[in-house]
Amino acid sequence: AQSVTQLGSHVSVSEGALVLLRCNYSSSVPPYLFWYVQYPNQGLQLLLKYTTGATLVKGINGFEAEFKKSETSFHLTKPSAHMSDAAEYFCAVSESNFGNEKLTFGTGTRLTIIP
Amino acid sequence: DAGVIQSPRHEVTEMGQEVTLRCKPISGHNSLFWYRQTMMRGLELLIYFNNNVPIDDSGMPEDRFSAKMPNASFSTLKIQPSEPRDSAVYFCASSLKGGTTDTQYFGPGTRLTVL
Repeated sequence: AQSVTQLGSHVSVSEGALVLLRCNYSSSVPPYLFWYVQYPNQGLQLLLKYTTGATLVKGINGFEAEFKKSETSFHLTKPSAHMSDAAEYFCAVSESNFGNEKLTFGTGTRLTIIP
Repeated sequence: DAGVIQSPRHEVTEMGQEVTLRCKPISGHNSLFWYRQTMMRGLELLIYFNNNVPIDDSGMPEDRFSAKMPNASFSTLKIQPSEPRDSAVYFCASSLKGGTTDTQYFGPGTRLTVL
């Protein structure tokens, strides 16, 4: 069975500082990995995803994530935080078994930006 | 495109009443997902449909919950009878093909409060 662990339910960073949100996964087969963002009172929106190929994935709003198989990690980073980045971020995994189309989400990390 | 549309956005009802949540997926999308989000359990997949057919309903909590997709442009999630523990935000999402790498597009959610 697949699972996702997000370390740190709350992360605070200063505006302009590096953002690092941690995600570790467990999967019995090669995983597909996703980061979604949820702004207050809104649905989730895809930031980026890793399927195959290049392990460094770039997404919207300046975010990127690197798939590290040896560490079973898919951490999300952004070099310089902006006030508009304040939101909740969810890591998700989907196994690459034919017919298994379910996403398993982590519990989320709430990002606060300090002015 | 209007995105995934959910109605109502907010629902307050009394225990024992029937509740029906509605979802219109993005036109042309073949897969539809119902999720529930709570503080305690995070984001849980309840059921998903592919080409209007329920594929996996293992996440449906109990018989009080039922979901239908009579056509490609409409789905309902019904709770009968409702209980206070059903209070949550319910999201509908759709994707083009439903494959494991497909991006899921989320609606704004329905916030359900059962008194």
